[in-house]
Amino acid sequence: GAVVSQHPSWVICKSGTSVKIECRSLDFQATTMFWYRQFPKQSLMLMATSNEGSKATYEQGVEKDKFLINHASLTLSTLTVTSAHPEDSSFYICSASPQNTEAFFGQGTRLTVV
Amino acid sequence: RKEVEQDPGPFNVPEGATVAFNCTYSNSASQSFFWYRQDCRKEPKLLMSVYSSGNEDGRFTAQLNRASQYISLLIRDSKLSDSATYLCVVKRGYQKVTFGTGTKLQVIP
Repeated sequence: GAVVSQHPSWVICKSGTSVKIECRSLDFQATTMFWYRQFPKQSLMLMATSNEGSKATYEQGVEKDKFLINHASLTLSTLTVTSAHPEDSSFYICSASPQNTEAFFGQGTRLTVV
Repeated sequence: RKEVEQDPGPFNVPEGATVAFNCTYSNSASQSFFWYRQDCRKEPKLLMSVYSSGNEDGRFTAQLNRASQYISLLIRDSKLSDSATYLCVVKRGYQKVTFGTGTKLQVIP
């Protein structure tokens, strides 16, 4: 079946630094990928929709200048958390969906900002 | 109104019980429906697709009611290992995927 690979699976960074998370569709092309965030004991929250070759669409309340999304190819989307702070610590997950099938998720990235 | 709505639970049920979850969706143009399972601190994984005719996979039965715009998941003979969050997922068009907030199930010994 289709595979979505996310990297890194976990990262610890200092407050004020930036962190880049990659999401790759390994055996299909994805013109659209989705980025989610999940805080402990809470549900998945859609942050933004990443569109290949165009600007990402951000959900209400998500700062586009803080969470930079780049979807430069049909198999890769990146999320960069800029100037990370402890409140950005969370579980970030990407997903993509081949046509006419279910959505596939990356393994998730656990970000801890200290 | 959210595009996909679920009761967040938690549903606390004893082992062996039958439990049912419902999920409603607002967009009648929705085309594909799925149930996902998410374990704590892991990514969601597909449990089963949902078809108009209803489908069964072992102890799990999923049904779709297009007229009323809801889907359901029935779990029979609950096991401790069924404890997880169950996400209702609705897909519209090529890649428009919307998730419910999830229903938490806790199966108690």
